[in-house]
Amino acid sequence: EAGVVQSPRYKIIEKKQPVAFWCNPISGHNTLYWYRQNLGQGPELLIRYENEEAVDDSQLPKDRFSAERLKGVDSTLKIQPAELGDSAVYLCASSLNLWAGGNEQFFGPGTRLTVL
Amino acid sequence: EDQVTQSPEALRLQEGESSSLNCSYTVSGLRGLFWYRQDPGKGPEFLFTLYSAGEEKEKERLKATLTKKESFLHITAPKPEDSATYLCAVQAWRDDKIIFGKGTRLHILP
Repeated sequence: EAGVVQSPRYKIIEKKQPVAFWCNPISGHNTLYWYRQNLGQGPELLIRYENEEAVDDSQLPKDRFSAERLKGVDSTLKIQPAELGDSAVYLCASSLNLWAGGNEQFFGPGTRLTVL
Repeated sequence: EDQVTQSPEALRLQEGESSSLNCSYTVSGLRGLFWYRQDPGKGPEFLFTLYSAGEEKEKERLKATLTKKESFLHITAPKPEDSATYLCAVQAWRDDKIIFGKGTRLHILP
C-alpha cells in the first residue's frame, strides 16, 4: 500500500516569492492534516480537513497561507508571499475518519522549505 | 491550555541499557495519547495510541504506559537502530486538536 506522498521534497526560494506544496493521502483516508515542523520542535498543526471541509484552520496564518482539498483527496498548501520565518519542514498526514475511530496518523516525508 | 512536555530533551544510552522517556500532559478530556518515532529527514512513524489511565502497549523493545498526568515510553535493551526522536502527542475530546511535544532525541551507542 502506498503511503502519503508529498512533493516537492525540497524547495529553496527568495523571500516574497510564492510556493506551493502538494499532498496525496493514503487511499480511503478522509482526514488530512498539514503540519509545520521547525528544527528541534514537534509538528504544529496548520489545518485539518474532513473530506473537503476544513474543520480546524485556527493555526493557519491566513494573511499569507492558503490550502485547498478539492474532491476530498489531494491537497495543496500555498504560501504567498513567503517570509524568512517560514523556513521549516511542512508535513502532510492522513488518517481514517475520526468518528470511525481512526486517529492514527500516517505522515508523508515532508517538504523542507528554505526561504532566503 | 492543553500542553505536552517531554523529558529529557536528549538521552544517550549504551546498547542494552534500558531507560524511560517521559511525556507529561495537561488536556481537558483526553481522547488519546500517541507516541511516534521520527528518523532524520523523515516524517513521524506511528507507534502507539493509549486511551485511558492504566493502559499499556508493547512493540518489540518498546512499552508505553499511561497515567492521568503522564505517559512513559520504556525501552528495554535498546539497539543502535532504536536511535531516533520520539514524539508524544495528545488529542482532546473537546476539539479533536492534536498537540505534539518537542520530542526526546535518543541516541544508542554500540
